[in-house]
Amino acid sequence: DVKVTQSSRYLVKRTGEKVFLECVQDMDHENMFWYRQDPGLGLRLIYFSYDVKMKEKGDIPEGYSVSREKKERFSLILESASTNQTSMYLCASRQGGGNQPQHFGDGTRLSIL
Amino acid sequence: AQSVTQLDSQVPVFEEAPVELRCNYSSSVSVYLFWYVQYPNQGLQLLLKYLSGSTLVKGINGFEAEFNKSQTSFHLRKPSVHISDTAEYFCAVSDPDTGNQFYFGTGTSLTVIP
Repeated sequence: DVKVTQSSRYLVKRTGEKVFLECVQDMDHENMFWYRQDPGLGLRLIYFSYDVKMKEKGDIPEGYSVSREKKERFSLILESASTNQTSMYLCASRQGGGNQPQHFGDGTRLSIL
Repeated sequence: AQSVTQLDSQVPVFEEAPVELRCNYSSSVSVYLFWYVQYPNQGLQLLLKYLSGSTLVKGINGFEAEFNKSQTSFHLRKPSVHISDTAEYFCAVSDPDTGNQFYFGTGTSLTVIP
């Protein structure tokens, strides 16, 4: 089974802090994704990566950046956290193209105070 | 870009009753379709997928879904629900023209009442 591990289940940070969310997958998948999930809005794609050091903007990239230095690890960075970034963050990975399912981690519930 | 509509944000249903969760997507020549389930405080788990072939797809936990190209729908059904089916359900579409991206619906919260 594919295992996608997010480093923290719950995280509390202060406004203006730089925040790192880490995600690791153990199946050598090419593609990795970061989503945020908010009630009534479903999942919205922040960034994705289809290879090491490659990244593409999703639908809501503002205020975020990403890093993929190794194939198994995809980091989401909040450059200067704001209260409107309080949310559930989900990482996913996928092997191959769009006919393959995405595999999700358990999520990080991030609160910005 | 695709858009995915889940018409019902909340669906209450009594235990052992049948349920249908509706999903419609914007038109395309061909798409790949998925249903995911999310239990409280967990990530999303794949229930089933449609890639091609038979329009009736069977998944885990007794769920099935029917692909209807003319109505651009992919509704999820279960003939008899259990308390343990209480969860959030997401429909997702992958459009080959946009390669890597999945488009998710806003989710349907299924509550099974004892």
